[in-house]
Amino acid sequence: TQLLEQSPQFLSIQEGENLTVYCNSSSVFSSLQWYRQEPGEGPVLLVTVVTGGEVKKLKRLTFQFGDARKDSSLHITAAQPGDTGLYLCAGAFNTNAGKSTFGDGTTLTVKP
Amino acid sequence: GAVVSQHPSWVICKSGTSVKIECRSLDFQATTMFWYRQFPKQSLMLMATSNEGSKATYEQGVEKDKFLINHASLTLSTLTVTSAHPEDSSFYICSAINRDGGEDEQYFGPGTRLTVT
Repeated sequence: TQLLEQSPQFLSIQEGENLTVYCNSSSVFSSLQWYRQEPGEGPVLLVTVVTGGEVKKLKRLTFQFGDARKDSSLHITAAQPGDTGLYLCAGAFNTNAGKSTFGDGTTLTVKP
Repeated sequence: GAVVSQHPSWVICKSGTSVKIECRSLDFQATTMFWYRQFPKQSLMLMATSNEGSKATYEQGVEKDKFLINHASLTLSTLTVTSAHPEDSSFYICSAINRDGGEDEQYFGPGTRLTVT
């Protein structure tokens, strides 16, 4: 059983459309990270959320941490082909441990 | 930002041989590093936690005698895949924890593509 479930697993959209990726768990996390990974490269950290209900914005990306710190969402506005990649959420149970559990990923393809 | 490097970026080896992969934190010291494995279009699976100066902690199902981890310095951890087999072919990624800012920040290396023929 996957501790962190992401949905959808695959998403293919046209440039300019909006999308939301979800990351859900039955466990409570002390922090949750979102990463973006391109083929053949390591994941790159996009954001860390630590407070229940927290909302963070990074240009066209909006990240939200659920009130109970069990789930999170990533919303992309006006997607661009450069947003194409594998999006991973990762939850940590201890803010000082650094050991995270990864979701199963969402592969996003944005067509021009 | 903090940089983590891996070497080699890709390697092809014959079945039965051993391969060593290096993970270096270039501008910070990391007492803790992690080794992950990733199959195509799948997420990262944690293999082990590498602790400087002590033995690595392996996740359930990961053979410690097959995947040897050495964290001999604060900037270097190595993963050696011993007696490699084709099923060991995968993308291996390390990460290092930077605690300089008071909170843990995890930085990933670019990964090493291992192909066992």
